[in-house]
Amino acid sequence: EAGVAQSPRYKIIEKRQSVAFWCNPISGHATLYWYQQILGQGPKLLIQFQNNGVVDDSQLPKDRFSAERLKGVDSTLKIQPAKLEDSAVYLCASSFGAGGADTQYFGPGTRLTVL
Amino acid sequence: AQSVSQHNHHVILSEAASLELGCNYSYGGTVNLFWYVQYPGQHLQLLLKYFSGDPLVKGIKGFEAEFIKSKFSFNLRKPSVQWSDTAEYFCAVNQGGKLIFGQGTELSVKP
Repeated sequence: EAGVAQSPRYKIIEKRQSVAFWCNPISGHATLYWYQQILGQGPKLLIQFQNNGVVDDSQLPKDRFSAERLKGVDSTLKIQPAKLEDSAVYLCASSFGAGGADTQYFGPGTRLTVL
Repeated sequence: AQSVSQHNHHVILSEAASLELGCNYSYGGTVNLFWYVQYPGQHLQLLLKYFSGDPLVKGIKGFEAEFIKSKFSFNLRKPSVQWSDTAEYFCAVNQGGKLIFGQGTELSVKP
């Protein structure tokens, strides 16, 4: 079974530039998540999709971050404009359902460096 | 708001030593608890999870964890670690479908 795919794996940009990350979840998984993991911390949820609808985006900085999941499969996360504090690993995860016991499967992440 | 606390940031052990990593959470209701592991250069993967039943949960690679509701704890254990267990370990609580992670514990096992 193929895992969660993410691209790019690494990205270096200057502050105030824009950047986009792509995620392809495990086939058949209805729920997709984007997490931000700052160095030395655990992952923090940014946004959760159920099919192509947003379930939770309470921790997404909406003035600069946006995400979409067209057709309920792939998803993109965009940052515009980027700030120095956005330097982090951005993780995508997916799960079959959205229940509390559902296992979330994580992709390799995109490491973003903002200079 | 729910929070998860992992007591140790970095643990260093010799091979064959026993391991216990602490995890405490703040929520008093029904919880689903997870331990994830991230080996060097690899992605986060599930080690074990608890959602009901026997509070002693067994996972992959000889790991186990015990859910103690009265202590709000879900500590991870392994009787004898190997060099290949060197990794970062994350405890997480699922609240309404949202995983809330601790800050992680880096485990270094010396051969």
